[in-house]
Amino acid sequence: TQLLEQSPQFLSIQEGENLTVYCNSSSVFSSLQWYRQEPGEGPVLLVTVVTGGEVKKLKRLTFQFGDARKDSSLHITAAQPGDTGLYLCAGARANNLFFGTGTRLTVIP
Amino acid sequence: GAVVSQHPSWVICKSGTSVKIECRSLDFQATTMFWYRQFPKQSLMLMATSNEGSKATYEQGVEKDKFLINHASLTLSTLTVTSAHPEDSSFYICSATPFRVNQPQHFGDGTRLSIL
Repeated sequence: TQLLEQSPQFLSIQEGENLTVYCNSSSVFSSLQWYRQEPGEGPVLLVTVVTGGEVKKLKRLTFQFGDARKDSSLHITAAQPGDTGLYLCAGARANNLFFGTGTRLTVIP
Repeated sequence: GAVVSQHPSWVICKSGTSVKIECRSLDFQATTMFWYRQFPKQSLMLMATSNEGSKATYEQGVEKDKFLINHASLTLSTLTVTSAHPEDSSFYICSATPFRVNQPQHFGDGTRLSIL
């Protein structure tokens, strides 16, 4: 059983469209991280959000941490084929990371 | 900085053999290392946490006699899959942190294990 549920599980969109990925939990985390993983490689950290309600922007990616620090969202504006990959949220508690169920994004040129 | 290396990146072996996977922190001392398993099209599941010089802590459902973890130095942890069977085939990923609490994990590139 995973503590963090991501939706949607799969997403296929056209280049230039916008999208939002959700990461939900009933548990509180000290911080929440978002990763992107390419096939056959380890996950690469995109961002860490720490404060409830915090919003961070990374070029076309906007990350938000829920006020209660239980959920998060990732919004991508004008998606590009290079955004294709597996997006994982991960909640931190003490020294452990609990990964979400994952969202596999495909951006079609 | 903060590079973690895994070796081998891909291994194929016969059922019944034991396989050792190495995880090295190349430019920092890792007091804590983590081992994850990822099945196709699924997320990462934590298998165990190891602290240098002490026994690993295994997650519920992970057989400690099957997945032997050794963290004998501050830069190296090993995962040995003993008497591997086809159901052990998976993508194994390690990560490392330089300190014990609330530090980011740095991930290796994973090891794809295929048991025939």
